[in-house]
Amino acid sequence: QVQLQESGPGLVKPSETLSLTCTVSGGSISSYYWSWIRQPAGKGLEWIGRIYTSGSTNYNPSLKSRVTMSVDTSKNQFSLKLSSVTAADTAVYYCARGPLGDNWFDPWGQGTLVTVSS
Amino acid sequence: QSALTQPASVSGSPGQSITISCTGTSSDVGSYNLVSWYQQHPGKAPKLMIYEGSKRPSGVSNRFSGSKSGNTASLTISGLQAEDEADYYCCSYAGSSSTWVFGGGTKLTVL
Repeated sequence: QVQLQESGPGLVKPSETLSLTCTVSGGSISSYYWSWIRQPAGKGLEWIGRIYTSGSTNYNPSLKSRVTMSVDTSKNQFSLKLSSVTAADTAVYYCARGPLGDNWFDPWGQGTLVTVSS
Repeated sequence: QSALTQPASVSGSPGQSITISCTGTSSDVGSYNLVSWYQQHPGKAPKLMIYEGSKRPSGVSNRFSGSKSGNTASLTISGLQAEDEADYYCCSYAGSSSTWVFGGGTKLTVL
């Protein structure tokens, strides 16, 4: 079955750019939407944005000015860049397939903790 | 867009039923039958439990059910088991700008 794995630096300095990659295995990345979702410690989930395999994107309006997503179908990967980070961006970042049917996210990666600190 | 509103916590004894509410607006929950629910155990990734408001993915127990009335969606868990103790999140499509919004999460304690 499809599995997702996030990768990237676990520590990012304030004002710098957070960069994460999600590798999809067990199936093709093509013809699906793929999303990034984050969760600060002890808090709820926040949808960051989605990308289709054509490269079309939609972003959370609250993050739109700082978010860029891209996809590399040859590597079965998609990526997230979040610029000008602050401590408020410290969170576990999940990648997930979807939304499917404009509705659900499944499966999810295991998540990766990114800490913003000098 | 604002987060959907869920109770911070609910509890129940083994064998009982509980319901978790998820209140949105006429721009999200109220306008679409596009609510999903996720279960999250500590330190784990969320797991899809309900999609399209009331459908269960393969492998999810039929003790889990979903419904909607107006701007409020609900997740009901019947025959509570210890393994159901977890955080639960709802999620809804939020309209023409193609965005999605989650609830703040509900911690379920099985007494």
